[in-house]
Amino acid sequence: QQQVKQSPQSLIVQKGGISIINCAYENTAFDYFPWYQQFPGKGPALLIAIRPDVSEKKEGRFTISFNKSAKQFSLHIMDSQPGDSATYFCAARMEYGNKLVFGAGTILRVKS
Amino acid sequence: EAGVTQSPTHLIKTRGQQATLRCSPISGHTSVYWYQQALGLGLQFLLWYDEGEERNRGNFPPRFSGRQFPNYSSELNVNALELEDSALYLCASSLDYPDTQYFGPGTRLTVL
Repeated sequence: QQQVKQSPQSLIVQKGGISIINCAYENTAFDYFPWYQQFPGKGPALLIAIRPDVSEKKEGRFTISFNKSAKQFSLHIMDSQPGDSATYFCAARMEYGNKLVFGAGTILRVKS
Repeated sequence: EAGVTQSPTHLIKTRGQQATLRCSPISGHTSVYWYQQALGLGLQFLLWYDEGEERNRGNFPPRFSGRQFPNYSSELNVNALELEDSALYLCASSLDYPDTQYFGPGTRLTVL
């Protein structure tokens, strides 16, 4: 199964709050898990990425938590800002064939 | 450093026509990928080119084809356009395989 399931579909967070987006997968042939941020009319921009041998990675306000045994990973955005309002996609790369399989996306709105 | 560039920004075609979309990767990147972002269907992998060769193909009909040129730029051709081909077509590039994929702004294809 090559699906990546992402939740929630949409999220509203107050400014300064924590935004949490979750993803789950079934295929163990995934070897790399990036998160992309997309603004309307733009292409997805790489936000942060993690490999399955690491349980957590932090870059600024963005943290990925990875649970290999549960086949789940999540994005935490600390101190969320209105400028973070965008659509966020989790993805998983197939070890063979090098293709990214994307989650359905989460529309984040940060209220000021 | 310039990012991935795509042309045209918008393309309007009628059903049955052919569309050609172009992509220039980040300087030094040798792999190019094509994805389709259709409303309600999310981001779907189309094609991967590396060193001028097609390396992997997504679950799309043969009327979706492409090529990579010696300068690593790429074009995507869609023949016999159908209404459901209307989507944002995204090109991404990576330095090598496997490596992070960086996306361009996309070409919005509308089929009337």
